Amino acid sequence: SQELEQSPQSLIVQEGKNLTINCTSSKTLYGLYWYKQKYGEGLIFLMMLQKGGEEKSHEKITAKLDEKKQQSSLHITASQPSHAGIYLCGADEGGGSNYKLTFGKGTLLTVNP
Amino acid sequence: GAVVSQHPSWVICKSGTSVKIECRSLDFQATTMFWYRQFPKQSLMLMATSNEGSKATYEQGVEKDKFLINHASLTLSTLTVTSAHPEDSSFYICSARAVQGASPLHFGNGTRLTVT
Repeated sequence: SQELEQSPQSLIVQEGKNLTINCTSSKTLYGLYWYKQKYGEGLIFLMMLQKGGEEKSHEKITAKLDEKKQQSSLHITASQPSHAGIYLCGADEGGGSNYKLTFGKGTLLTVNP
Repeated sequence: GAVVSQHPSWVICKSGTSVKIECRSLDFQATTMFWYRQFPKQSLMLMATSNEGSKATYEQGVEKDKFLINHASLTLSTLTVTSAHPEDSSFYICSARAVQGASPLHFGNGTRLTVT
């Protein structure tokens, strides 16, 4: 099955700083999803990437998928305390009509005011 | 749109009892729902795929007699933890797709189960 490695495991930044979270797959990614989770709560969908070289942005968050479709990065510009949480990347296992998602272990982001 | 509601948000039960968790898609129909389990500081582990009108598909290592899944309608799936033990204490979270195929999963807010 798909294995996703996320780095770093945790990150503490000062408000206003930029940061990047990486997600690396052992296999080619059919679809890569980024989610944000507050501890003990559900996951909030951020972005989905499917094509090699694809890049999407929403507000101050940009996600990219490399050309080989094995690595994705999530970049936050001018971080704010509201960005704090756990960021998870998830990958489609591919094939069939019931696409399962497997997830990385997550990156815990703390933004200090 | 695409809201998934999960109930209860937390539950405490005694060892040996059973607990039912409900997962509803509020504004879309879901022929498939996914049940995950999350341990503290760890990732989500897929437990099973719930299929409307048919048997659930369990991941390797997940006891189907322990974690009963019923998907009786297009908007409701239930997970019953039978004869719960303290090691079943965890965060359970369900999800579903509003659109078939490669599209985002929408998650419920999860259920914190504590077995005493």
